[in-house]
Amino acid sequence: RKEVEQDPGPFNVPEGATVAFNCTYSNSASQSFFWYRQDCRKEPKLLMSVYSSGNEDGRFTAQLNRASQYISLLIRDSKLSDSATYLCVVNNRGGSYIPTFGRGTSLIVHP
Amino acid sequence: DADVTQTPRNRITKTGKRIMLECSQTKGHDRMYWYRQDPGLGLRLIYYSFDVKDINKGEISDGYSVSRQAQAKFSLSLESAIPNQTALYFCATSDIAGVGGSGEQFFGPGTRLTVL
Repeated sequence: RKEVEQDPGPFNVPEGATVAFNCTYSNSASQSFFWYRQDCRKEPKLLMSVYSSGNEDGRFTAQLNRASQYISLLIRDSKLSDSATYLCVVNNRGGSYIPTFGRGTSLIVHP
Repeated sequence: DADVTQTPRNRITKTGKRIMLECSQTKGHDRMYWYRQDPGLGLRLIYYSFDVKDINKGEISDGYSVSRQAQAKFSLSLESAIPNQTALYFCATSDIAGVGGSGEQFFGPGTRLTVL
């Protein structure tokens, strides 16, 4: 089992739709979690950190479920500009916090 | 100016050539990373460095070496390039999560390397 797994998609949704992605991780000692966004051929950029209590930033909501070892990203009222690849990142403990990336989930928002 | 810069941005080379990719950062972070990205495989860690004297192999270090010349500089070398090293290479920096930092990584714009 890969350490961090994501459904590669693509998720093809109309503008205005709500879409959710999940990401599962295998290391129960993982300590910090992030969602990054990557546009085609560009560098990844932080979308949001994921906190234990869940957090929201505008149309984006991130959740952490430690018991089931997954994190989720919910996008409401999708925009064309949300089309991108969304990367899940998990940092493992041991004092090292080595980031491990999922392969990414592709989102295509169409008119 | 960009916080993390990479040179060159694009490079085409031939099998067997030695190639160096350079990365500089102005974030003041101790931690730096080199990744490669291939279609469908996501980002894979090649090497990482927690400070100038601490360098560690990632999951795919074979065929690569690195040098941490200063806190701000971390270079990646391909001693003898081969075609399956054709990929998009990213450098990144971060602070330390859980020690007053977020652990967020900041990426350079990438180097597109083609080995013929």
